[in-house]
Amino acid sequence: DADVTQTPRNRITKTGKRIMLECSQTKGHDRMYWYRQDPGLGLRLIYYSFDVKDINKGEISDGYSVSRQAQAKFSLSLESAIPNQTALYFCATSDPARTGRYGYTFGSGTRLTVV
Amino acid sequence: EDKVVQSPLSLVVHEGDTVTLNCSYEVTNFRSLLWYKQEKKAPTFLFMLTSSGIEKKSGRLSSILDKKELFSILNITATQTGDSAVYLCAVNTNAGKSTFGDGTTLTVKP
Repeated sequence: DADVTQTPRNRITKTGKRIMLECSQTKGHDRMYWYRQDPGLGLRLIYYSFDVKDINKGEISDGYSVSRQAQAKFSLSLESAIPNQTALYFCATSDPARTGRYGYTFGSGTRLTVV
Repeated sequence: EDKVVQSPLSLVVHEGDTVTLNCSYEVTNFRSLLWYKQEKKAPTFLFMLTSSGIEKKSGRLSSILDKKELFSILNITATQTGDSAVYLCAVNTNAGKSTFGDGTTLTVKP
């Protein structure tokens, strides 16, 4: 089983629909992140969480919300999807004590298309 | 605003060539610089650098950081087709989050 699991792997949705992307991890890491990647661009941070009670906005949080249901689960919601939210979404985890050797651990990504 | 700039954006070489990828940054409270390789989907970790002048090596890949001039390079010698990927540079700050560059797309032709 993957250390960081994202579901769904692919999703096509209509403009205006609410959609949730889920992330679960077995790494035991406290820190979790949501990034999006657009073609030809790097990863941009949407939200991050350092523990269950700590949620922080990243550089592009508008139009998104998150929920940290447990240490192992971090969900990203698009309340009313729009076409420019079409992108590849990554969940990542880190353990600050071990980041030096391993960096982030990424999920396999969710490819979201909003039509 | 933290900023990470990679160059070139894309590069096409032939097997056996040596390539140098560049990463410059402007961030508040620098902690470390990381290199990742992204093939089909998720990025995978290559190196983390925190100190200037100390080269990190892994096989044909090596990387070095210059904290005075605020840049890093990633070298790949004797390139192979399996090196074809997007190489991402990221800077981690004391705030505990990483800012990524746009990546360099490397294509190695047989």
